[in-house]
Amino acid sequence: QSVLTQPPSVSGTPGQRVAMSCSGGNSNIGSNYVSWYQQFPGTAPKLLIYKNDQRPSGVPDRFSGSRSGSSASLDISGLRSEDEAHYFCAVWDDSLSGRLFGGGTKLTVL
Amino acid sequence: QVQLVQSGSEVKKPGTSVKISCRTSGYSFGAYGLSWVRQAPGQRLEYMGWVNTYFGFPIYGQGFGGRFVFSLDTSVRTAYLEISDLEAGDTAVYYCARVESPYGDSNIDYWGQGTRVTVSS
Repeated sequence: QSVLTQPPSVSGTPGQRVAMSCSGGNSNIGSNYVSWYQQFPGTAPKLLIYKNDQRPSGVPDRFSGSRSGSSASLDISGLRSEDEAHYFCAVWDDSLSGRLFGGGTKLTVL
Repeated sequence: QVQLVQSGSEVKKPGTSVKISCRTSGYSFGAYGLSWVRQAPGQRLEYMGWVNTYFGFPIYGQGFGGRFVFSLDTSVRTAYLEISDLEAGDTAVYYCARVESPYGDSNIDYWGQGTRVTVSS
């Protein structure tokens, strides 16, 4: 399917580990690299993970990504209040010849 | 450092045009593509297409031909998005974003700050 599905929200307490999913299909996650971005309201997205599980320099190792089949996951360990933001996945879709974006997951740190 | 700086917010009437700029710095301009992405209020990000900055040709995403035109001025390392015959449905934040290779299907690694376009009579 040429759509990426993310849960609208997840929450956790400081220090906890949370995971958020991104579900797609064979033409996107199943065959191309997934990226994850963090976005605060009114600001530009920031790259957190690329090529499924790679972190750009400067991104803490508390953030990790994985892919299995046509789904991907972003894990955040040692949750901090400053992690409260929107997170979305992105991947190229071969059927559309275009980039797909997930609807985003709002992380709340309780 | 890599920077993509976009032009400011615009308020336009239906039927008019708008041209958004994306000025880049901190990297070799022609070595990376530039993509345009739209986010309408309450909606997910939507891929509009990208520009091969080395050869200068645009590739438009599904639904973004016709009224949408990507262009470049390589002398000032700037990309432009022009939207003509504006409709209320064009109200959105428009982002430019760097594609980390000359190929449009590569990862987006840096984003501009976004340009809000409001279309209202």
